[in-house]
Amino acid sequence: EAGVVQSPRYKIIEKKQPVAFWCNPISGHNTLYWYRQNLGQGPELLIRYENEEAVDDSQLPKDRFSAERLKGVDSTLKIQPAELGDSAVYLCASSGTFEQFFGPGTRLTVL
Amino acid sequence: GIQVEQSPPDLILQEGANSTLRCNFSDSVNNLQWFHQNPWGQLINLFYIPSGTKQNGRLSATTVATERYSLLYISSSQTTDSGVYFCAVESNFGNEKLTFGTGTRLTIIP
Repeated sequence: EAGVVQSPRYKIIEKKQPVAFWCNPISGHNTLYWYRQNLGQGPELLIRYENEEAVDDSQLPKDRFSAERLKGVDSTLKIQPAELGDSAVYLCASSGTFEQFFGPGTRLTVL
Repeated sequence: GIQVEQSPPDLILQEGANSTLRCNFSDSVNNLQWFHQNPWGQLINLFYIPSGTKQNGRLSATTVATERYSLLYISSSQTTDSGVYFCAVESNFGNEKLTFGTGTRLTIIP
C-alpha cells in the first residue's frame, strides 16, 4: 500500500513569490492534515480536513495561506506571497481512524 | 492547550546500548503516538499507544495514562536508530489534533 505522497520535495523561491504544495493521502483515509515543522521543533498543525471540509484551520495564517481539498482526496496548500519566515518543512498526514501517517514533506526555502 | 515534554533532549550512545526515552503530558489523552524522524526528515510511525504496553522487535513502549507519561525503550541500539524521536498526543478535550513534544535527538556511535 502506498504511503502519503507529497510534491515537490524541495522548493527554493524568492520572497513575495507564490508557492504551492501537493499531497495525496493514503487511499481510504478521510482525514487529511497539513503541518509545518520549523528547524529543531516538532510539527505544528496548520489545517485539518474531514473529507472536503476544513474542520480546523485555526492555526492557518489566512492572510497569505490557503488550502483546498477538492473531491475529498488530494489537497493543495498555497502561500502567496511567501515571506522569509515561511522557510520550513511542510508535512502532510492522513488518518483513517486514530493513527496519523506522514508524507516525506516539502522543504521550503525562501530567499 | 496540552503540554508535552520529552527527556532527555539529546542522547549519545554506543552501538549495542539500551535507552529509555520519556514523554510527560499535562492532560488526559485519547491518542498518543511515537515517531522516529530519520536523517532525511521522514516521520516513521513507531507506536500508537494511548495506554498499555506494546513491543515491536527491539522497540517497546509503555503509556501510563493515569500518571500522564509514556516511555519508549530501545534495546541493542543500531546506527540506523539515530534520528529524532517525537512523542505526540491528542487531548481528550482537544479537537483531534496531535501536539508534538520537542523531541529527543538520539545519536548511535559505531
